[in-house]
Amino acid sequence: DAGVTQSPTHLIKTRGQHVTLRCSPISGHKSVSWYQQVLGQGPQFIFQYYEKEERGRGNFPDRFSARQFPNYSSELNVNALLLGDSALFLCASSLEQGMGYTFGSGTRLTVV
Amino acid sequence: GQSLEQPSEVTAVEGAIVQINCTYQTSGFYGLSWYQQHDGGAPTFLSYNGLDGLEETGRFSSFLSRSDSYGYLLLQELQMKDTAAYFCAGARGYQKVTFGTGTKLQVIP
Repeated sequence: DAGVTQSPTHLIKTRGQHVTLRCSPISGHKSVSWYQQVLGQGPQFIFQYYEKEERGRGNFPDRFSARQFPNYSSELNVNALLLGDSALFLCASSLEQGMGYTFGSGTRLTVV
Repeated sequence: GQSLEQPSEVTAVEGAIVQINCTYQTSGFYGLSWYQQHDGGAPTFLSYNGLDGLEETGRFSSFLSRSDSYGYLLLQELQMKDTAAYFCAGARGYQKVTFGTGTKLQVIP
């Protein structure tokens, strides 16, 4: 059974551009969360979706948005990219709230 | 809000036992999870405590005391491959999971 898959694995964008990151959860997992991890720090919560509804949002500007599709896959969109958005973006899925999340390998975004 | 504090770095000898503490301040909080992250990799789930007490999974054990807002991860029979960052994480309902500040564990020969 496939784990959490994310695409692309690496991405380089220019300031001001837009980016879309994709995530497919483990089969049967209905909850998908997105995290941003800057080098040397812990993952910071961005969004959580469950059954296609946003259930939680972290302290991120409106430039960040996300959605979950009927097949439970998810997209994270970031508009008007800033240099400070450079980070590892992680997607995680879980069966139940707050319990063990399975993380994907992440998308490393570099904004130049 | 939620904040989870951990020691920033811990060094231990191969074969030894090490304990990584996590203290938290939060309201309406339940459950504490632990994750391991190797350099360049994604976090990997290690354990979850939904109730007070000790949970054991092989060489790893985790403890939670909700009355003390405190938990720890215990690693026994340390191996070189255990060198990694370790994060505690707390959750409140379907809302955000907050990760701790992280502890870098260095296992030395």
